Amino acid sequence: AQSVTQLDSHVSVSEGTPVLLRCNYSSSYSPSLFWYVQHPNKGLQLLLKYTSAATLVKGINGFEAEFKKSETSFHLTKPSAHMSDAAEYFCVVGDFTGFQKLVFGTGTRLLVSP
Amino acid sequence: EPEVTQTPSHQVTQMGQEVILRCVPISNHLYFYWYRQILGQKVEFLVSFYNNEISEKSEIFDDQFSVERPDGSNFTLKIRSTKLEDSAMYFCASSAASGNTIYFGEGSWLTVV
Repeated sequence: AQSVTQLDSHVSVSEGTPVLLRCNYSSSYSPSLFWYVQHPNKGLQLLLKYTSAATLVKGINGFEAEFKKSETSFHLTKPSAHMSDAAEYFCVVGDFTGFQKLVFGTGTRLLVSP
Repeated sequence: EPEVTQTPSHQVTQMGQEVILRCVPISNHLYFYWYRQILGQKVEFLVSFYNNEISEKSEIFDDQFSVERPDGSNFTLKIRSTKLEDSAMYFCASSAASGNTIYFGEGSWLTVV
């Protein structure tokens, strides 16, 4: 079965400093991986996705993630945090053994201080 | 930009009552989904729906749950007799095709008292 593990429940950064949100995956086949973001009282918005093309994936709002098969990781990064980045971030793996469904990690809350 | 819309945004209901959560998927999408997130827990898959029938459901999606596409635009989730443990945020989602990006709505927060 597909699964993801988000290694940090909370990450705190200062505005203007780099962001690193860690995710490891487990998959019995070549995975499709996603990062979704949830701002307070908002829905789940797709940040970026990896589907076996380039290993470095660029998303919206300056975020990117690198697929590393040898480390089974898909960490999310951003060079410089902005206050508006404060939100809950979910690492997600696609389970396409039947009709597609998404398997979510437990989420990482990103706190950005001035 | 097209989006998935959900109503109501928040509903409080008495235990044992029936609840219908409504969703309008993105207009050209063919696959529809419900997920839920109990407070403090993971977002979980409930059900996927394609071609007017359930294509896959999780073990959570028992006989008290049902889904329907009553017309060309709406997609509903019905909980027949709500329990306290049904309190959660329910997300509707849609995609153009299997394997395509899944787009989520803003969620319907259900509180069962």
